[in-house]
Amino acid sequence: QQQVKQSPQSLIVQKGGISIINCAYENTAFDYFPWYQQFPGKGPALLIAIRPDVSEKKEGRFTISFNKSAKQFSLHIMDSQPGDSATYFCAANFGNEKLTFGTGTRLTIIP
Amino acid sequence: EAGVTQFPSHSVIEKGQTVTLRCDPISGHDNLYWYRRVMGKEIKFLLHFVKESKQDESGMPNNRFLAERTGGTYSTLKVQPAELEDSGVYFCASSPLGRSGNTIYFGEGSWLTVV
Repeated sequence: QQQVKQSPQSLIVQKGGISIINCAYENTAFDYFPWYQQFPGKGPALLIAIRPDVSEKKEGRFTISFNKSAKQFSLHIMDSQPGDSATYFCAANFGNEKLTFGTGTRLTIIP
Repeated sequence: EAGVTQFPSHSVIEKGQTVTLRCDPISGHDNLYWYRRVMGKEIKFLLHFVKESKQDESGMPNNRFLAERTGGTYSTLKVQPAELEDSGVYFCASSPLGRSGNTIYFGEGSWLTVV
């Protein structure tokens, strides 16, 4: 059972454009929603995270939008750059419990 | 401060052989997790240690997989005997105990190929 659904599977965005990746979750007990960025040959690295008590969190060019009633959250990358090309995973957990990951989005930024 | 380190980084073994993966978490991190990503699919949870105790091993696929965490420090994940479907990248991660939302730090992974 896939508890966190992520889309799209792959995404191509022109340099300077906005990249948007969406996730939906099922378990209402989740209280922490991180996004991880993974470059080829490397492990996932925390990019930005949000708790359900806020609807938006922004860090630089990266923004998480959170809709608790719809059980959805999304990552927006503004002014996308070639260096942002990577695989992005949304995830969710509660307490110290395991992270449940989405299936990943392979983002490619083209010049 | 050293991050989560994993060894070996890459391993190619034949079906039926044994492989042992090692993880050294960030010093002081009591939570240690093993995850696996197979063939471009999602990163799947395998198990969770709190110190030396197995907190949750619900993701372990079968009894060919054995994880240990000696003295609450480093951890090993042994696959014996390895099967073709065990190929993938095995990630170790760690985090401190405490409130919800502590960052979970990942290692670079051990890439396992079973041929």
